[in-house]
Formats: sequence, structure tokens, C-alpha cells
Amino acid sequence: RKEVEQDPGPFNVPEGATVAFNCTYSNSASQSFFWYRQDCRKEPKLLMSVYSSGNEDGRFTAQLNRASQYISLLIRDSKLSDSATYLCVVMDSSYKLIFGSGTRLLVRP
Amino acid sequence: DTGVSQDPRHKITKRGQNVTFRCDPISEHNRLYWYRQTLGQGPEFLTYFQNEAQLEKSRLLSDRFSAERPKGSFSTLEIQRTEQGDSAMYLCASSLARDRGQIAKNIQYFGAGTRLSVL
Repeated sequence: RKEVEQDPGPFNVPEGATVAFNCTYSNSASQSFFWYRQDCRKEPKLLMSVYSSGNEDGRFTAQLNRASQYISLLIRDSKLSDSATYLCVVMDSSYKLIFGSGTRLLVRP
Repeated sequence: DTGVSQDPRHKITKRGQNVTFRCDPISEHNRLYWYRQTLGQGPEFLTYFQNEAQLEKSRLLSDRFSAERPKGSFSTLEIQRTEQGDSAMYLCASSLARDRGQIAKNIQYFGAGTRLSVL
């Protein structure tokens, strides 16, 4: 079983739609959680950190459920520029990042 | 540009040749990480340094792989006797390690990567 699991997608949605991605992780001792965005053939870039209380950054909302070991990302009012792969990431005790395989999002006009 | 810099961006080599990649981290960052990413997968951890000390190596890092960070600044990753299975994107990241309570200070910033193709 992978340490971080995501639905690979692709999620194909129209502009303006709301889309949600989910992720589960296996190490209950994990402390820090992130969503990174990766465009085709580019490096991953931090989208947002994820806190237990939930956090929002504009159209993006991230949630963490420690009891279920579950992380989510909600994107409202999707834009064409949101098309990318979204990587669910867990930081382990030695600060290295454990990545999911990514969820592809395609936003169509 | 004050971000993480990697060189070269692309490398094509023949099987059996040695290759070396360089990473220049963000200047004040004390931690430097190497990851490898293959098509359709997320990046996988290879190794990391705190200053010049190599603190952890993944089991993915076979004896053909060696990494150094001699002065605690730039790092090199060498692959000896390359195999076709080594073809991947090699990503470097850096961070400023702080107490866990300061999550923002542990954010890893990635370079653009070196894409290796072994023929």
C-alpha cells in the first residue's frame, strides 16, 4: 500500500465548476501536510499547507481529518489556468516529503 | 533569480555512462533534498543534507548513486554506469529547517529539475 494515495483522475470539469480532491495517508505520526501543484513537465510548486482547523486561500480550501487520515482540496469557480496535476504531500518526521501520485485536473471552456 | 537552480536541464546519455547533476539551493537554506520523478508518479525521496552532512538515503539510492554537498551550499548527484531504468526527472529542493512549530520555515522549494534520458 502506498503511503499517500490519491485518485489519479483525470477530473474533467467546465469553467466555473467546483471540484474536490481527496487523499489518504498511512502514517498516523505525520505532522505536516501540503498540496503542491505541478504543471506538465514543470517542477512541483506549493499550493497551500493544510492545517487541522482547515484553511482557505481564495478559491482554494484545504481540510485535514487526522482521525481518518484524510486530506482534501476544494477548488471553487474553476479557471482554465487551474488545469494541472495536484499532488497530496505528507511530511515525515525527518522533514522529507512523501508524495501521492497526483490527481489530474482538466478545466474546459 | 534567487530560487533553486539545477543544471543541466536535460541530459541524454548512453547506457553505461556516468552523469553528474548540480543543484544550487536558495542561499540561506540549510537543507537540500534530491527526489526522482517518473512519468505518472509523484516525486520519490532519494536523499537529503543538512548543511554538508548527508542525513538520510532512500533504499532507492543504489550503490551507483552518490550525492555530495561539500561546503553546505551546492550539491551534486552522480549516477555511475547508467541504466535505462534511471531515466527520470531528478528534482532538487531546499528548505530552511526550523522547529516543527514553524511549518512555514520547513517549506521545500523545488528547482526545475534535470530530465535524464538513458538510451
